[in-house]
Amino acid sequence: DAGVIQSPRHEVTEMGQEVTLRCKPISGHDYLFWYRQTMMRGLELLIYFNNNVPIDDSGMPEDRFSAKMPNASFSTLKIQPSEPRDSAVYFCASSPSGSCEQYFGPGTRLTVT
Amino acid sequence: AQTVTQSQPEMSVQEAETVTLSCTYDTSESDYYLFWYKQPPSRQMILVIRQEAYKQQNATENRFSVNFQKAAKSFSLKISDSQLGDAAMYFCAYRTCLKAAGNKLTFGGGTRVLVKP
Repeated sequence: DAGVIQSPRHEVTEMGQEVTLRCKPISGHDYLFWYRQTMMRGLELLIYFNNNVPIDDSGMPEDRFSAKMPNASFSTLKIQPSEPRDSAVYFCASSPSGSCEQYFGPGTRLTVT
Repeated sequence: AQTVTQSQPEMSVQEAETVTLSCTYDTSESDYYLFWYKQPPSRQMILVIRQEAYKQQNATENRFSVNFQKAAKSFSLKISDSQLGDAAMYFCAYRTCLKAAGNKLTFGGGTRVLVKP
């Protein structure tokens, strides 16, 4: 199994542009999570899905952020418009039902200039 | 809401020596899971060890072991015979067992481990 796949690995964009981060969870996993990691705030859960349905989006910082999971094998996190304070590493993780563990992707390093 | 606290921003250890990372958490639940994740410079999050709260026996995984003190809400990680490859950020994490809360993790702020040759 290839593990959780995220793309792109690095993204540099200008303030005001739309950014889309992509995630492919491990096949068969029912849960998908989006995290953000910054020096100031550490690792924060933004949103998570169960069976493609958003369950808890209380961690989404503001309306500029949106996440979708159109099917079991794909999710996106979109920021529109992006701002310099959105610069961070964004992780996607997946987990099967009944499991303790989350499997993390390699992360996307986003830089907004 | 649960909180996880790692009070040591950075720890330094000599190669082959032992280092202990502290973690405390706050919860009103009686059943939950605790984890230690390692994040090397590659940024990949790697699960090191996990502990189920209902188990009294401390988890061990090769050179990594935990000291789980449920009453004190403490969950420390001991790295024995430290190796250069152990240098990384280490995150303590909590997961509730409440089904409604799903599988989401709450992370501590992390401890950077430096290994001196």
